Amino acid sequence: DAGVIQSPRHEVTEMGQEVTLRCKPISGHNSLFWYRQTMMRGLELLIYFNNNVPIDDSGMPEDRFSAKMPNASFSTLKIQPSEPRDSAVYFCASSGDRGAQETQYFGPGTRLLVL
Amino acid sequence: QQPVQSPQAVILREGEDAVINCSSSKALYSVHWYRQKHGEAPVFLMILLKGGEQKGHEKISASFNEKKQQSSLYLTASQLSYSGTYFCGTASGGSNYKLTFGKGTLLTVNP
Repeated sequence: DAGVIQSPRHEVTEMGQEVTLRCKPISGHNSLFWYRQTMMRGLELLIYFNNNVPIDDSGMPEDRFSAKMPNASFSTLKIQPSEPRDSAVYFCASSGDRGAQETQYFGPGTRLLVL
Repeated sequence: QQPVQSPQAVILREGEDAVINCSSSKALYSVHWYRQKHGEAPVFLMILLKGGEQKGHEKISASFNEKKQQSSLYLTASQLSYSGTYFCGTASGGSNYKLTFGKGTLLTVNP
């Protein structure tokens, strides 16, 4: 079975540009999570969706970040405009529908560098 | 609030044992353990649930003390492949999907 798929795997962009990260969760999973990982802050949850509905976006750093899940098999995380401090690895993860009993499966990540 | 992991780093020789601890200031419903190798995604190892149920890896064990809000991961007879950063993620409610991760413990296993 295919795991969580993310694209692009690497992104280099200039400050002020729009960045769009994409995620395809594991088929049948109802929950989708976007995380950001940096050396300083570790692995932080940005937002999570359940059945395509955003449930908790308290980790989204500011209005420059937005996320959508138009259907059960696709989600995007958009940064507009991007800043150098947004440089990080962004992971998408998915899980089933039993809350804190479920394993979250991580995608390979998108390594973002904003110059 | 972020759980606290200890130690921050540990170096072992192949065959030695290690214990990694995870402590939270909040009441916990479950603790999730992951291992991440450099440049890769976190990989699931184990879930420990309130009430004692444990699911995960055959060669790695863990404990969950609900009263103390602590979990420990036991790595016995370590192999070179155990090297990586270990993270605990904690959830405070059964219906709450949100995990809060610790800063990680870097484990290095040398020949």
